[in-house]
Amino acid sequence: DVQLVESGGGLVQPGGSLRLSCSASGFTFRTYAMHWVRQAPGKGLEYVSMISDNGRSIYYVDSVKGRFTISRDNSKNTLYLQMSSLRVEDTAVYYCVTKGVGDFDHWGQGTLVTVSS
Amino acid sequence: EIVMTQSPATLSVSPGERATLSCRASQSVGSNLAWYQQRPGRAPRLLIYGSSIRATGIPPRLSGSGSGTEFTLTISSLQSEDFAVYYCQHYDNWPWTFGQGTKVEIK
Repeated sequence: DVQLVESGGGLVQPGGSLRLSCSASGFTFRTYAMHWVRQAPGKGLEYVSMISDNGRSIYYVDSVKGRFTISRDNSKNTLYLQMSSLRVEDTAVYYCVTKGVGDFDHWGQGTLVTVSS
Repeated sequence: EIVMTQSPATLSVSPGERATLSCRASQSVGSNLAWYQQRPGRAPRLLIYGSSIRATGIPPRLSGSGSGTEFTLTISSLQSEDFAVYYCQHYDNWPWTFGQGTKVEIK
């Protein structure tokens, strides 16, 4: 079974940094693009970033450009999101997501990031 | 950025009744449209992709239709497990975006 397990969330002050990790298993990680999607408390879903299978293509939503960095280590089956200059509006549950052809679509359980003083 | 607009925001339906959810894209996304269901405290679950193709394990009472800018998710006879929030999402070009969601609640 596909498993995606996020970690690294927590409470951080505005302007601070945090690194999220997503450990993947149950599929050939190195052959799939990976995504981070977030959901602010009581709000809808927002795509944050995407990285291709080999890491050469990377996209960010405008609101995080220059502050967040997505990366992956295919030897460790792990996805990362380095977040810096965090803002109150970055407070959300962050989901690690993998998508492929057809209905290959799997989400982690999410990790909560709270930005507050 | 393509803006996805869902309507209505909330739909009150009795069990056994039909529910029709709408999703509009600000520009054509072809058939690159998915629908997700999210229950409280849970991650979203893929229901429909390619605008009308049911994901594995999704019952036939759920159906998707549309192309270009107008899309519909229909639940033909609501069951208790269908009361949830539904999101449409395009994947035509980056940034992929979601609609704001439609909450289907018990009338």
